[in-house]
Amino acid sequence: GAVVSQHPSRVICKSGTSVKIECRSLDFQATTMFWYRQFPKQSLMLMATSNEGSKATYEQGVEKDKFLINHASLTLSTLTVTSAHPEDSSFYICSASPPSASSYNEQFFGPGTRLTVL
Amino acid sequence: LAKTTQPISMDSYEGQEVNITCSHNNIATNDYITWYQQFPSQGPRFIIQGYKTKVTNEVASLFIPADRKSSTLSLPRVSLSDTAVYYCLVGTRDTGRRALTFGSGTRLQVQP
Repeated sequence: GAVVSQHPSRVICKSGTSVKIECRSLDFQATTMFWYRQFPKQSLMLMATSNEGSKATYEQGVEKDKFLINHASLTLSTLTVTSAHPEDSSFYICSASPPSASSYNEQFFGPGTRLTVL
Repeated sequence: LAKTTQPISMDSYEGQEVNITCSHNNIATNDYITWYQQFPSQGPRFIIQGYKTKVTNEVASLFIPADRKSSTLSLPRVSLSDTAVYYCLVGTRDTGRRALTFGSGTRLQVQP
């Protein structure tokens, strides 16, 4: 199956700093990628849809100026958490799907990035 | 999207068959049922998808009754490594094309 990677897998930062998380589709091109956030013992919540070459679409309640998304190429989307605070500590997961008929019903997720803001 | 209801948690022992039922009373005619598995600190992984009757792959089986208001994910002979959260999702078939709406999921704990 298709592979989606994320980097870093874990990051600890001080409050007020910015953190960039990368999401890469390793063996396919993805015009669309999705970013989710998951708090402990909770389900995944969609944050935004990342579109290659255009602005991201954010879900209601997600601050676009705080969570900057850049999808500059067909294999890379980045999520930057600006001025991070402890309440931003969470598990961030991206996903994408290859543009082939066989992938119509399957989405591939990255391994996730654990962000801890002190 | 049709709302789904699953048990919050289930316990089982190694070697047993586990059946996780998902209710989706408002499923639409064009909706498919898709299941994902998530291990701790990992992204979800697609397990199986079906529309009606029964679907089987190398990992699981999916049973869907005629009224399609519920579905059952069946895991044969579970092992400790099947301990995970299982999510039932309902929507049009092309779940690979759009953002997914995850419910609360079912936390399966397999004991030795």
